[in-house]
Amino acid sequence: NAGVTQTPKFQVLKTGQSMTLQCAQDMNHEYMSWYRQDPGMGLRLIHYSVGAGITDQGEVPNGYNVSRSTTEDFPLRLLSAAPSQTSVYFCASSSTGLPSPLHFGNGTRLTVT
Amino acid sequence: DQQVKQNSPSLSVQEGRISILNCDYTNSMFDYFLWYKKYPAEGPTFLISISSIKDKNEDGRFTVFLNKSAKHLSLHIVPSQPGDSAVYFCAAYGNAGKSTFGDGTTLTVKP
Repeated sequence: NAGVTQTPKFQVLKTGQSMTLQCAQDMNHEYMSWYRQDPGMGLRLIHYSVGAGITDQGEVPNGYNVSRSTTEDFPLRLLSAAPSQTSVYFCASSSTGLPSPLHFGNGTRLTVT
Repeated sequence: DQQVKQNSPSLSVQEGRISILNCDYTNSMFDYFLWYKKYPAEGPTFLISISSIKDKNEDGRFTVFLNKSAKHLSLHIVPSQPGDSAVYFCAAYGNAGKSTFGDGTTLTVKP
């Protein structure tokens, strides 16, 4: 029973590099989302998707790109990494019946130097 | 403008006593509230929720109270146990299934 799986667990990037954070869920959830958590702060929504082929922006979308080609996968792309993107990133999923608790992955800790 | 606020960054209680974690919100359109618990190096996990049409929901040692007129909710843990030591996030559920989170309260339960 894997739930939500995020890879990698840790990543160090240099400013200007790009990378993709992977997220996969095996619960057949339609809703998936990406959050970032900065020290002492709550989780802020980056992008979300209510189903395959549908994505939308959250609270802090700048510098990030997403796509949703399958129900299971929701990768987050950093286009040109900046030190301000140093954070812990969480992927979450839920069923679309309202309201549904989010199921989170264990996070990716990203450092941009 | 932060729509969900947890004004106490930390709380320390003795094992066996009650822990009360508070959360305030500003958007009256929020219709469902959830509490999540987070251990270090793990993702948050769902703990308990409450609909805006209720004022109380109970699940074992955990009870959430909602005061709509004050736009305030609280999580009570009785009795508190050392394993309850974690960061607790309040979240408000609203438009398009998006959840808005507070900044979290770190609970420490001392043996």
